[in-house]
Amino acid sequence: NAGVMQNPRHLVRRRGQEARLRCSPMKGHSHVYWYRQLPEEGLKFMVYLQKENIIDESGMPKERFSAEFPKEGPSILRIQQVVRGDSAAYFCASSPPNRLDNYGYTFGSGTRLTVV
Amino acid sequence: RKEVEQDPGPFNVPEGATVAFNCTYSNSASQSFFWYRQDCRKEPKLLMSVYSSGNEDGRFTAQLNRASQYISLLIRDSKLSDSATYLCVAIKAAGNKLTFGGGTRVLVKP
Repeated sequence: NAGVMQNPRHLVRRRGQEARLRCSPMKGHSHVYWYRQLPEEGLKFMVYLQKENIIDESGMPKERFSAEFPKEGPSILRIQQVVRGDSAAYFCASSPPNRLDNYGYTFGSGTRLTVV
Repeated sequence: RKEVEQDPGPFNVPEGATVAFNCTYSNSASQSFFWYRQDCRKEPKLLMSVYSSGNEDGRFTAQLNRASQYISLLIRDSKLSDSATYLCVAIKAAGNKLTFGGGTRVLVKP
């Protein structure tokens, strides 16, 4: 049973370009969460999605950032017109559609975005 | 004030020694808690859940004090491989968003 798959592992973008980060949840998991980790900082919640629905986007920057989790295919975190401050590790986690209280989340290996 | 706060450390620990550190949370509505471990530049991995009665998993013991709103993690007989950043995590009763502390760095030395 494959874990949470994220790609690419590393992504380099020039300022002003678009970055697309993909996340495929574990089999049977319908809940996806995106977190960002800036260098030397903790993980910050960005967005929580279920299939075709955004449940909580309270951690998403107001501009340039968007996320989707279509009926078919992986979840996508999209950053338009990237700036140097977007350089970070972006982690995706998934959970099954039931109580997770005792099980936490399963995280993917992350995408490290570098904006040059 | 951050919702979940941790001493960033580092805690320098001789191999074989015991180390303990706490995490405080500000939201009394938080219901469930976890300790995650994160190695340098890798994804966080669940270490253990934290139960009100306290729980043990091998050399690791977690405690929850709801009255004082803190969680603790104790590592006995530290191994070199225990060197990592330990993340305290809280989840509210409603919704499924995990809130992470900034992490406590532990360095176990020979």
